[in-house]
Amino acid sequence: GEDVEQSLFLSVREGDSSVINCTYTDSSSTYLYWYKQEPGAGLQLLTYIFSNMDMKQDQRLTVLLNKKDKHLSLRIADTQTGDSAIYFCARGTYKYIFGTGTRLKVLA
Amino acid sequence: KAGVTQTPRYLIKTRGQQVTLSCSPISGHRSVSWYQQTPGQGLQFLFEYFSETQRNKGNFPGRFSGRQFSNSRSEMNVSTLELGDSALYLCASSSTAASGNTIYFGEGSWLTVV
Repeated sequence: GEDVEQSLFLSVREGDSSVINCTYTDSSSTYLYWYKQEPGAGLQLLTYIFSNMDMKQDQRLTVLLNKKDKHLSLRIADTQTGDSAIYFCARGTYKYIFGTGTRLKVLA
Repeated sequence: KAGVTQTPRYLIKTRGQQVTLSCSPISGHRSVSWYQQTPGQGLQFLFEYFSETQRNKGNFPGRFSGRQFSNSRSEMNVSTLELGDSALYLCASSSTAASGNTIYFGEGSWLTVV
């Protein structure tokens, strides 16, 4: 199958860590991606991870990949109000399959 | 380096009309893909072009078509518009034909069909 699933909402307090989860059914993709979408805007690439990696860290962002469970997560450390947005995980090559998106709300 | 540019940003069309959306990829990028985003269906892949050839196609009716020019710019066309075609249409580009290459999105074209 091609399903990529995410929880719809996440609310955290400013300064806390946020963890956004994603599960997928097809493990054939070489790369997995995280995108951010702010209101009225397109998708901004945040980070990606190669399928033979377990973890990737990029400043405040940490991506964890559990290939056995087909589970991908994005951790945002020290979450700020500017991080409020919808976050999409995606997999694919020429054709990306996107998750439903997780709306992150950061409370001041 | 300029990003992916889409025009127009906003447009309103009437049912039955047709629309053409334009996308200029990042300089040097030869692959252009299109996605439709709606609240109900989320992000769905329309098609992907590389070197003026459609390489992949999603599950959309034939009313949705596209093309790519020799300078890698791309257009998509929707004919006989329906209310359900109201959506954000996103264009993305990537630099190589290699699988798994990262795609970069434009700001999108907001289409409202009335």
